[in-house]
Amino acid sequence: GESVGLHLPTLSVQEGDNSIINCAYSNSASDYFIWYKQESGKGPQFIIDIRSNMDKRQGQRVTVLLNKTVKHLSLQIAATQPGDSAVYFCAENSGGSNYKLTFGKGTLLTVNP
Amino acid sequence: DTEVTQTPKHLVMGMTNKKSLKCEQHMGHRAMYWYKQKAKKPPELMFVYSYEKLSINESVPSRFSPECPNSSLLNLHLHALQPEDSALYLCASSQVTGFEKLFFGSGTQLSVL
Repeated sequence: GESVGLHLPTLSVQEGDNSIINCAYSNSASDYFIWYKQESGKGPQFIIDIRSNMDKRQGQRVTVLLNKTVKHLSLQIAATQPGDSAVYFCAENSGGSNYKLTFGKGTLLTVNP
Repeated sequence: DTEVTQTPKHLVMGMTNKKSLKCEQHMGHRAMYWYKQKAKKPPELMFVYSYEKLSINESVPSRFSPECPNSSLLNLHLHALQPEDSALYLCASSQVTGFEKLFFGSGTQLSVL
């Protein structure tokens, strides 16, 4: 299940299940969003992005959904594998030449074999 | 080449030391970034360089001094740091398109004693 509080939110799934990681963003002017995966001891790795003129985008085993009405972003991972275990961050950018990519607090995904 | 290379990977320094973190990319990106990340927290933006000029300084203390010698290199000079500055320092780069997709290095894990 998923827990939210003072600690990093966590999601624990069984190998082969689908995972859904959620993110609430703060700036209604944000027009570009990215999901990053960060494994222990490594920098964030780009997974998938979406612009605000879209509500869904698919990659390889991953889908990002954007609901601008409620300022909500989700990352769906199909057939989750042990190698998917990591912290997942959503990031938002208010666009233009702003350069400011603001990260959400992250979710720790643990995949049990 | 889609890598951002950071050196050193680990650094231990005293509060009176002067050290530098280095970052290099050969993707032709014209924006480069420094982020700071504490354990179990999201990355926080420190500085942005665009076309070798400092675009953003997120009110970072002067004991951190960035430098962008050319479009491929980014340095962070450290002097008189405090123990609370211990963190993972991440470098990133991106094209300048208005929808900046950042590519991150693996970071320098800094410990200030």
